[in-house]
Amino acid sequence: EDQVTQSPEALRLQEGESSSLNCSYTVSGLRGLFWYRQDPGKGPEFLFTLYSAGEEKEKERLKATLTKKESFLHITAPKPEDSATYLCAVQTLARAGGSYIPTFGRGTSLIVHP
Amino acid sequence: DAGVIQSPRHEVTEMGQEVTLRCKPISGHNSLFWYRQTMMRGLELLIYFNNNVPIDDSGMPEDRFSAKMPNASFSTLKIQPSEPRDSAVYFCASSFWGLSSYEQYFGPGTRLTVT
Repeated sequence: EDQVTQSPEALRLQEGESSSLNCSYTVSGLRGLFWYRQDPGKGPEFLFTLYSAGEEKEKERLKATLTKKESFLHITAPKPEDSATYLCAVQTLARAGGSYIPTFGRGTSLIVHP
Repeated sequence: DAGVIQSPRHEVTEMGQEVTLRCKPISGHNSLFWYRQTMMRGLELLIYFNNNVPIDDSGMPEDRFSAKMPNASFSTLKIQPSEPRDSAVYFCASSFWGLSSYEQYFGPGTRLTVT
């Protein structure tokens, strides 16, 4: 069974204090790894897709990287507005129908204090 | 584009009542997903459609849950009868399914409370 584990569950940072979130996965046939951001009371918002080990994507203070077993979301000099829950999802072949569906991790709740 | 639209945003109902959640996907997207999110279980995939056809409903918890997609711009998730353990936030997401992987775009969710 496909598994996605995110750590830590919660992370508190001071503004400007860089850190990384981890997403480790065990899947049979990875077809893509996604990072989403979820603000309270809202739906997840797409950030990045990574397809192969060694790939990196950047957006403002965020950089996502991928290895064969895990992905990291690096946050450089975070600001209070970066506070949110960050979800990781892996896309694999569906249980039925031949389509690709995502399996989500439980997320990391990030709070950045001013 | 207005994004994925869900209604109602909040629903409070009594146990045993029927609940219908609605979703309008992004125009041009051909895949639609229904999720449920709780603190205990996180984000769970309930069912998904490709080109209006249900592909996998193995995540639907019980026969009390049903979903339809009569056309490319509308889907419903129905719970009948509802129970307190169905209380959760229900999300609809859409994407364009092609030959490779794809990102999903989520609606704002419907917060369901069953008393």
